[in-house]
Amino acid sequence: DAMVIQNPRYQVTQFGKPVTLSCSQTLNHNVMYWYQQKSSQAPKLLFHYYDKDFNNEADTPDNFQSRRPNTSFCFLDIRSPGLGDAAMYLCATSTAVVQETQYFGPGTRLLVL
Amino acid sequence: GDSVTQMEGPVTLSEEAFLTINCTYTATGYPSLFWYVQYPGEGLQLLLKATKADDKGSNKGFEATYRKETTSFHLEKGSVQVSDSAVYFCALSNNAGNMLTFGGGTRLMVKP
Repeated sequence: DAMVIQNPRYQVTQFGKPVTLSCSQTLNHNVMYWYQQKSSQAPKLLFHYYDKDFNNEADTPDNFQSRRPNTSFCFLDIRSPGLGDAAMYLCATSTAVVQETQYFGPGTRLLVL
Repeated sequence: GDSVTQMEGPVTLSEEAFLTINCTYTATGYPSLFWYVQYPGEGLQLLLKATKADDKGSNKGFEATYRKETTSFHLEKGSVQVSDSAVYFCALSNNAGNMLTFGGGTRLMVKP
């Protein structure tokens, strides 16, 4: 089945230790998104890629970076995680068609010690 | 800018009860409207969608009708099950980037 895959499902890191979260898709979608979701809140968009074009949300901290080496993969790098970065991180994809559906992965829950 | 407002939870129901979760939106033009469901510890799953006025989206017994005159997209189910316990997000997409504007989410708890 075509899908969005996130690895790992759970990630534990130490305060200040860089961490990378991974997302892959078999949907061949042009657009990939990274969201941060804290407990009992709606997901918050961090950034998205339209093919190779990177689009950062204005309020996304510099501590968060992303890479998209090819259509299938996208990575979220947190350079120096703080306690406030503990959250669920969701990857999503969509086609480039206007107002099309976003398809979400299962998420990676990040714990910062 | 665009916004989505949905009823605050938690909503607690007994099994087989009727469910309504209200959602209203503010947007220019003609957005697409979505309901996503999030089960504990999981990502968001698309539950249903509607792309134009008077469209009815339906899936797994859930329904929602795109009402442009009242700018609403209320989620309904005739008979809920314990397995429907989750957080439900109403969302709209109204731009070329397919950015989603989410409501705050409504937690549904169904008791046996």
